[in-house]
Amino acid sequence: GENVEQHPSTLSVQEGDSAVIKCTYSDSASNYFPWYKQELGKRPQLIIDIRSNVGEKKDQRIAVTLNKTAKHFSLHITETQPEDSAVYFCAASRPGGSYIPTFGRGTSLIVHP
Amino acid sequence: DAGVIQSPRHEVTEMGQEVTLRCKPISGHDYLFWYRQTMMRGLELLIYFNNNVPIDDSGMPEDRFSAKMPNASFSTLKIQPSEPRDSAVYFCASSLAGQQNIQYFGAGTRLSVL
Repeated sequence: GENVEQHPSTLSVQEGDSAVIKCTYSDSASNYFPWYKQELGKRPQLIIDIRSNVGEKKDQRIAVTLNKTAKHFSLHITETQPEDSAVYFCAASRPGGSYIPTFGRGTSLIVHP
Repeated sequence: DAGVIQSPRHEVTEMGQEVTLRCKPISGHDYLFWYRQTMMRGLELLIYFNNNVPIDDSGMPEDRFSAKMPNASFSTLKIQPSEPRDSAVYFCASSLAGQQNIQYFGAGTRLSVL
């Protein structure tokens, strides 16, 4: 089955700095890569996703990149703000009968004011 | 729609007691998932249903755990007997058919087994 590794487990940055979270996956058939944000005490919520037919996608201060050859994808947050502090999960899923995503272990991002 | 609804939000129980967690998926969603979240293991998929039928329960840790979905709007996750190592946050999520990879999570149940 799919295996998703996520690094780092904890990331601490100063407000205004950039943050990068990286994930690798094992199943070359995976073609959908969502990112979820979980604020303290809240539910995980989808914030951005990328499909294998594109290499990069942006939405305001966040962007995701995908390298299918290397089987890794990353979340980039620019101009971080305290409200970006949360746990971020990456996931990967494959097409076909089972689209069920496999989640990474999560990255706890702390943005210091 | 109110989203995925879980109850209770918090549960504190003693070791050996039975615990039942409840979930109401988003209306019209065909898939329902149960996850367990711990610091050590992150988000673990326990079991998922399609049209009320359990499809994959390979993530259920042991026989003390069971899940049912008697109808399209209700599911339960039961732990009997509970143990301290079951302490975790349990999430329910649902999704549409063909979009199982886009999941909508409930607020979770924080379970503490003393």
